[in-house]
Amino acid sequence: AQSVTQPDIHITVSEGASLELRCNYSYGATPYLFWYVQSPGQGLQLLLKYFSGDTLVQGIKGFEAEFKRSQSSFNLRKPSVHWSDAAEYFCAVGISNFGNEKLTFGTGTRLTIIP
Amino acid sequence: DTAVSQTPKYLVTQMGNDKSIKCEQNLGHDTMYWYKQDSKKFLKIMFSYNNKELIINETVPNRFSPKSPDKAHLNLHINSLELGDSAVYFCASSSRDGEETQYFGPGTRLLVL
Repeated sequence: AQSVTQPDIHITVSEGASLELRCNYSYGATPYLFWYVQSPGQGLQLLLKYFSGDTLVQGIKGFEAEFKRSQSSFNLRKPSVHWSDAAEYFCAVGISNFGNEKLTFGTGTRLTIIP
Repeated sequence: DTAVSQTPKYLVTQMGNDKSIKCEQNLGHDTMYWYKQDSKKFLKIMFSYNNKELIINETVPNRFSPKSPDKAHLNLHINSLELGDSAVYFCASSSRDGEETQYFGPGTRLLVL
């Protein structure tokens, strides 16, 4: 069965600094990979996704992520964070079998931004 | 132009009651899901429906019964609510277009007293 590990429970970053959130997955084949963001009291918003092709994917709000098969990783990056980026970030792996898809989520990383 | 909507947004109820949460999507998707997010923010799939047919049932107590009257709606009925049912329930939808990206609703915050 697939699994996702987000090793950092909580990260604090200064506004304007760069950010990298780690995500490692376990799955026997090439997975579909996602990053979602959840602001306090809100639902989940898709930041970006990887299905195939270019291993560096661009998302919304200036985020990007790089799929590294050799490391089973899909780390999320942003060159300069803004106070509005404070939120919970979830990495997820999906398996699609046409109608039998489910997402397995990591435990999330809470991002705090300090002025 | 809401994509995936859920009602109610908040639900506070007593143990033993029966309650329903409704979900609607206007994205034209044919697959819908229910996820549960516990107090530690852990998200886990409960059910998925494709064209009104149950596809995934992740060992959820049978007090939980999803119902899909049509492709655009997936409701969740919970009987005999327990304290442990307190959580945030998210509905999501996706399409079978080769990139089954799931789009989530805003969540329903259920508190069982």
